[in-house]
Amino acid sequence: NAGVTQTPKFQVLKTGQSMTLQCAQDMNHNSMYWYRQDPGMGLRLIYYSASEGTTDKGEVPNGYNVSRLNKREFSLRLESAAPSQTSVYFCASSENPQSSRTQYFGPGTRLLVL
Amino acid sequence: DAKTTQPTSMDCAEGRAANLPCNHSTISGNEYVYWYRQIHSQGPQYIIHGLKNNETNEMASLIITEDRKSSTLILPHATLRDTAVYYCIVPMNTGFQKLVFGTGTRLLVSP
Repeated sequence: NAGVTQTPKFQVLKTGQSMTLQCAQDMNHNSMYWYRQDPGMGLRLIYYSASEGTTDKGEVPNGYNVSRLNKREFSLRLESAAPSQTSVYFCASSENPQSSRTQYFGPGTRLLVL
Repeated sequence: DAKTTQPTSMDCAEGRAANLPCNHSTISGNEYVYWYRQIHSQGPQYIIHGLKNNETNEMASLIITEDRKSSTLILPHATLRDTAVYYCIVPMNTGFQKLVFGTGTRLLVSP
């Protein structure tokens, strides 16, 4: 039981390049989330998916898109990366929307945009 | 989310109890207090949550004051591996809620 997994662990991009961050969970959870964490700051919610087939914006959605591919997988896409998107990205899941306050996090993807 | 206030940093000697305070004076009657921690370079980890009674699990104890305006997370025998940033969160108790992480308390456990 791996919990929440994220790929890649680390990525360097040039400004304007695109990439997709992958997240998968094996806990049969319904809800999934994407956060970013900038140095010395708390986590900020980018997008979330309360259940399969739905996605909603969080605090900082600009510059990102998401896809809830199936119940297990939730991907985050940067269409045209900018240096301001340099951050650590965390994916999380919760059993269902009613238990959204108890979330399980992945190990993170460290993204550097030059 | 109800606003929470935590000290920026705290120190604790290994083997001693670490008591991390949190003020949440605007908490509503049906809002829970959640605690998470983030060890360096890792994703946040859920620790414990409570409403008004004291709670204990294998990781920690949570003491909530009778007026519910503050709480304390207790790590009974801190180890070096407990060095982390600890977040106290009070999400609104209305349907689907997103966690809002502030800057938390940086706990340093020293030998």
